[in-house]
Amino acid sequence: EDKVVQSPLSLVVHEGDTVTLNCSYEVTNFRSLLWYKQEKKAPTFLFMLTSSGIEKKSGRLSSILDKKELSSILNITATQTGDSAIYLCAVDITDKLIFGTGTRLQVFP
Amino acid sequence: GAGVSQSPRYKVAKRGQDVALRCDPISGHVSLFWYQQALGQGPEFLTYFQNEAQLDKSGLPSDRFFAERPEGSVSTLKIQRTQQEDSAVYLCASSSTYTLAGVGNEQYFGPGTRLTVT
Repeated sequence: EDKVVQSPLSLVVHEGDTVTLNCSYEVTNFRSLLWYKQEKKAPTFLFMLTSSGIEKKSGRLSSILDKKELSSILNITATQTGDSAIYLCAVDITDKLIFGTGTRLQVFP
Repeated sequence: GAGVSQSPRYKVAKRGQDVALRCDPISGHVSLFWYQQALGQGPEFLTYFQNEAQLDKSGLPSDRFFAERPEGSVSTLKIQRTQQEDSAVYLCASSSTYTLAGVGNEQYFGPGTRLTVT
């Protein structure tokens, strides 16, 4: 059965801290791995990763895929209260996304 | 349109009622997906359309769930004889890519419809 596991489930930090969110997967037909940020509405797209070892970066956020370890990490540096959200990892298996349960990040001032 | 829109945003139904949830994808997007998100969980795949063709409905939890996209644009997810376990947020997503073409599948999500069955 295809599955995506995220850790930790929940994280509480102070503004300015750096956080690392983890995602591991076991799927039969991997095509890409995607990260989404979900606040109280639609998940918003952050990154799509297809190749191992190539870091994608957007401002304070960055992500990298390790196909050998079947995992990915999402890093957020100098966290801000606006980063508080649920971060979802999903794996594209050709005609659907398989999601993890998400990591709930809370950033306090 | 600028993004994926869904209506209604909130729906309360009494157990046994039928409901219809609408999704307007991004204009020109050929692929459309429905997901169900229970509280505290990640979204779970329900069904997928490429234009008007429903290519995968393996995630629909029962035959009470039915989806259509007759003209390859707007889609409707219908739930018949709603049960309490149907309470969830129903998310629609669209993508400009043909998923079988080997191109990455970046999906854009709508705000969801929160269904509460009482």
